[in-house]
Amino acid sequence: GEQVEQLPSSLIVQEGASVLINCSYTDSASVYFPWYKQEPGKRLQFIIDIRSNMERKQNQRLTLLFDKKTKHLSLHITATQPGDSAIYFCSARNMGYKLTFGTGTSLLVDP
Amino acid sequence: EAAVTQSPRSKVAVTGGKVTLSCHQTNNHDYMYWYRQDTGHGLRLIHYSYVADSTEKGDIPDGYKASRPSQENFSLILELASLSQTAVYFCASSAQRGAYAEQFFGPGTRLTVL
Repeated sequence: GEQVEQLPSSLIVQEGASVLINCSYTDSASVYFPWYKQEPGKRLQFIIDIRSNMERKQNQRLTLLFDKKTKHLSLHITATQPGDSAIYFCSARNMGYKLTFGTGTSLLVDP
Repeated sequence: EAAVTQSPRSKVAVTGGKVTLSCHQTNNHDYMYWYRQDTGHGLRLIHYSYVADSTEKGDIPDGYKASRPSQENFSLILELASLSQTAVYFCASSAQRGAYAEQFFGPGTRLTVL
């Protein structure tokens, strides 16, 4: 089945810095890649997504890059703020119901 | 925004006991899901349902049962709780099965089995 891996597992940055979170998947049938943010003790919150027919998507300070050939995604967060501190999850979905999550990247932004 | 609620928010259970986790959504969504979250594993799908009175197995169904008595409600049942089932459990719902349907998550239930 699909496997999704994320790197790094954790990050600590100073406020204002940029961060890059990498994600790779194995199933070429995956067509949709939503990303979620989970603040401590809170529910997963959708932040950005991309479809397999796209290469790039931006939402304010978030930019998501997708390389179908290498089965690789990158989430770039610019001008980080303390409120960005959370665990970020990459996920992959095929045409059915199944959403497979990565192991998460814990981001801590120091003010 | 989609409203998915879970109860209880936390629970301590004894090994061998029965545990029922409940999920309620008010968005008229057909699809509902149960995931567990463990450190280092992300979220893994336990059971899902696309219509009332029907449930399907996900990736890790062993030791769990599910019940969907109505479109709004989806329960996860641990008949004989075990230590290995200590985790945070998330319920989610989506409007349709399609690949691009966003899933909306509940706040989670922290289950500790002693």
